[in-house]
Amino acid sequence: QQPVQSPQAVILREGEDAVINCSSSKALYSVHWYRQKHGEAPVFLMILLKGGEQKGHDKISASFNEKKQQSSLYLTASQLSYSGTYFCGTRKDFGNEKLTFGTGTRLTIIP
Amino acid sequence: NAGVTQNPKFQVLKTGQSMTLQCAQDMNHNSMYWYRQDPGMGLRLIYYSASEGTTDKGEVPNGYNVSRLNKREFSLRLESAAPSQTSVYFCASSETAGLPDTEAFFGQGTRLTVV
Repeated sequence: QQPVQSPQAVILREGEDAVINCSSSKALYSVHWYRQKHGEAPVFLMILLKGGEQKGHDKISASFNEKKQQSSLYLTASQLSYSGTYFCGTRKDFGNEKLTFGTGTRLTIIP
Repeated sequence: NAGVTQNPKFQVLKTGQSMTLQCAQDMNHNSMYWYRQDPGMGLRLIYYSASEGTTDKGEVPNGYNVSRLNKREFSLRLESAAPSQTSVYFCASSETAGLPDTEAFFGQGTRLTVV
């Protein structure tokens, strides 16, 4: 079953912050985050593991709440280059190769 | 280093025709995946292969077959194409053996239209 992402779409002005959520109905071992530009392949952003710390680089960070089976991606002081569709991907167990992706969140940054 | 290579990039099929989508990776990864991407539905897993010689169904396997020919190659076959299979297909690979988890690398996609 696919994880559910919210919101489905968001429009921001440059410099504003955004939060994208990813929820699963089942326990998770890891959560991946990817960004896809129009007409291109998804590109990896970061992985969060069960029991791990909040991750981040530059102005993009993420958290993983294991009890709620939820992850959130935080984009601060958004730049035009952040525009795209964001996907979360999940694995249920260590060693389980099945990688299931969410429904996606389209982020549009306007000047 | 090419990463994940998919062929063809574009394809138009008539209903009922068959075709095979090719995928190859040069990163020595054990795991390979096929996804389809449709507007509003995200990336849906069709089949995956945890290692050479093994394949497993994903969320939307009906109408598809796969072959893990060797460690490098993982093909997706449509035996009798239907308009509902019009989509963008992505192949991906990753390596998690002995590791907590690692990123998946995607090919550039195959845009398939069934008329």
